Amino acid sequence: DIQMTQSPSSLSAFVGDRVTITCRASQSISRYVNWYQQKPGNAPAVLIYATSNLQSGVPSRFSGSGSGTDFTLTISSLLPEDFATYYCQQTYTTPHTFGQGTKLDIK
Amino acid sequence: QVLLEQSGPEVKKPGSSVRVSCRVSGGTFSVYVITWVRQVPGQGPEWMGRITPVLDVANYAQKFQDRATITADKSTTTVYMDLRGLRSDDTAVYYCARERTAYPSGSYAYPFFDDWGRGTLVTVSS
Repeated sequence: DIQMTQSPSSLSAFVGDRVTITCRASQSISRYVNWYQQKPGNAPAVLIYATSNLQSGVPSRFSGSGSGTDFTLTISSLLPEDFATYYCQQTYTTPHTFGQGTKLDIK
Repeated sequence: QVLLEQSGPEVKKPGSSVRVSCRVSGGTFSVYVITWVRQVPGQGPEWMGRITPVLDVANYAQKFQDRATITADKSTTTVYMDLRGLRSDDTAVYYCARERTAYPSGSYAYPFFDDWGRGTLVTVSS
């Protein structure tokens, strides 16, 4: 199975900050990475698919980049509703593994 | 938009089995790919397997190959996930999700999960 390793596992930031979350795959996965946001008590919700494509309705302050084994999710200017847990996922091959998550909270 | 409605919470004894259902409404059920993902509290999601109803073909993560069965009933547009031989570490929230495919660069298919059920908590305890 392909392992997805996220860093950091937790992150504290202020409203208005720019934050970056990274995800490293255990082997090359081209651009087959998705990013999800999860808030307590809710299912994950897709933000970005295929590394850099914004899902419909997702604000443009979210962006993604990368290729091969290294990927990033960037939030350009944090809003209060962005404090949540973020997961990367690879869909290069099954099982479609997820990272362990990055919990983003308010400083 | 596709709506996925899951069955209610379950409490099971170790060694028993559980069935979680996921009723899908909206769109064309038979052509969808429905996936099951579970999440132990405080951990990342874990992909268990998926089914394509039109083909009636399911595939599983190796970890669940021997204990899980995913089936689809096209007449009721419902997908089922059966898990046998329950253990305490199977305690988790189980989600169904629709796997969608995008073609952002025109030729390559990129799957992602864009519609999710609300989750079903399965608690395994003696």
